[in-house]
Amino acid sequence: GAVVSQHPSRVICKSGTSVKIECRSLDFQATTMFWYRQFPKKSLMLMATSNEGSKATYEQGVEKDKFLINHASLTLSTLTVTSAHPEDSSFYICSASTSADTQYFGPGTRLTVL
Amino acid sequence: QQQVKQSPQSLIVQKGGIPIINCAYENTAFDYFPWYQQFPGKGPALLIAIRPDVSEKKEGRFTISFNKSAKQFSLHIMDSQPGDSATYFCAASTVNSGNTPLVFGKGTRLSVIA
Repeated sequence: GAVVSQHPSRVICKSGTSVKIECRSLDFQATTMFWYRQFPKKSLMLMATSNEGSKATYEQGVEKDKFLINHASLTLSTLTVTSAHPEDSSFYICSASTSADTQYFGPGTRLTVL
Repeated sequence: QQQVKQSPQSLIVQKGGIPIINCAYENTAFDYFPWYQQFPGKGPALLIAIRPDVSEKKEGRFTISFNKSAKQFSLHIMDSQPGDSATYFCAASTVNSGNTPLVFGKGTRLSVIA
């Protein structure tokens, strides 16, 4: 149990286009989902906290107009990278909470912006 | 300001050895301490977690030791195997006051050599 999926696993896009990444909790309902970004050989950097039915809370330095987060249901959250640029290339990972403590992570999405 | 300090940055052990990874935290409000294992190109996977009401927790070959007064916790991997080679992250959060994001350490790259 406690499986989190992400789609797509890998995406390559041209500069200036928008990319949507989906995060789904497959066998549980997640009231809270988190979005992280990870650079090679680095730790996870929290981008935003997403609660179902409400606006996401963004971390300092994360542009909310560039990284649009929608948490429309208890099993789905999406991250849209708008007008992507090469510096947005990274590994994006979501996590979902089953309760007040445990977070389960998705497999990640590798974004490459050309 | 890094709230969770993890060491060492990298670690090489022989098969069968017991690698020990240490973490120290500053925020006394933290009350949930998980360890995650991450393989290249994959999302982190929850290994084991501990709450501050116990000093040790064991699951299979993985053991967490927790020292509340010193604000430190560590991961021990018994009888380490080459398949344990991965990056390990400690983390901390405050769960009693709500579902807060995890604060991650910078990670330890473990190599287990045969």
